[in-house]
Amino acid sequence: AQSVTQLDSQVPVFEEAPVELRCNYSSSVSVYLFWYVQYPNQGLQLLLKYLSGSTLVKGINGFEAEFNKSQTSFHLRKPSVHISDTAEYFCAVSRNSGNTPLVFGKGTRLSVIA
Amino acid sequence: GAVVSQHPSWVICKSGTSVKIECRSLDFQATTMFWYRQFPKQSLMLMATSNEGSKATYEQGVEKDKFLINHASLTLSTLTVTSAHPEDSSFYICSARVAGGTYNEQFFGPGTRLTVL
Repeated sequence: AQSVTQLDSQVPVFEEAPVELRCNYSSSVSVYLFWYVQYPNQGLQLLLKYLSGSTLVKGINGFEAEFNKSQTSFHLRKPSVHISDTAEYFCAVSRNSGNTPLVFGKGTRLSVIA
Repeated sequence: GAVVSQHPSWVICKSGTSVKIECRSLDFQATTMFWYRQFPKQSLMLMATSNEGSKATYEQGVEKDKFLINHASLTLSTLTVTSAHPEDSSFYICSARVAGGTYNEQFFGPGTRLTVL
């Protein structure tokens, strides 16, 4: 089975500062990795995904993440955040085969301060 | 991109009544849909996996007789909360997996807020 750990439940950061949201996963098989963003009372929007190939993945809204197999990590980064980035961010993992569901981390609340 | 809708977006009901939530893939066919439940300030917990034309697969601890799932077509899955009680109040989110996709891409609906009085 897969599991995801998001080490920080809340991350406050000033506007235009860089941010990193941490995600570690556990799996005995190869996986796909995802980051989703959720705005209040809304569903999830895919930010980016890692399937294979280059370990540095670029997504929407200026976010990027790096897959590190040896450290089983998939941290999300943005060099300069905006007020509109305030939201809940979820890291998720799934097996890379079959019709398997996503397993989510507990989420990290990013609060951007003006 | 692929769009998934949910209806209703919010519902308030009395304890003991049943509520049906619809999940539709608007511009693609989805052989598989997933139903999640999210409590305030918590993560999404998978409730069940719904495959078109077959019975849903429920996660451990989810009462299949209470949460009835029907996936009658490639674009529609429904979740019925039967005899709802206040503890069933939650945010329910569905996702749909693209049929024939090469990887496990899922598209999420906007969620349904259920409040049971």
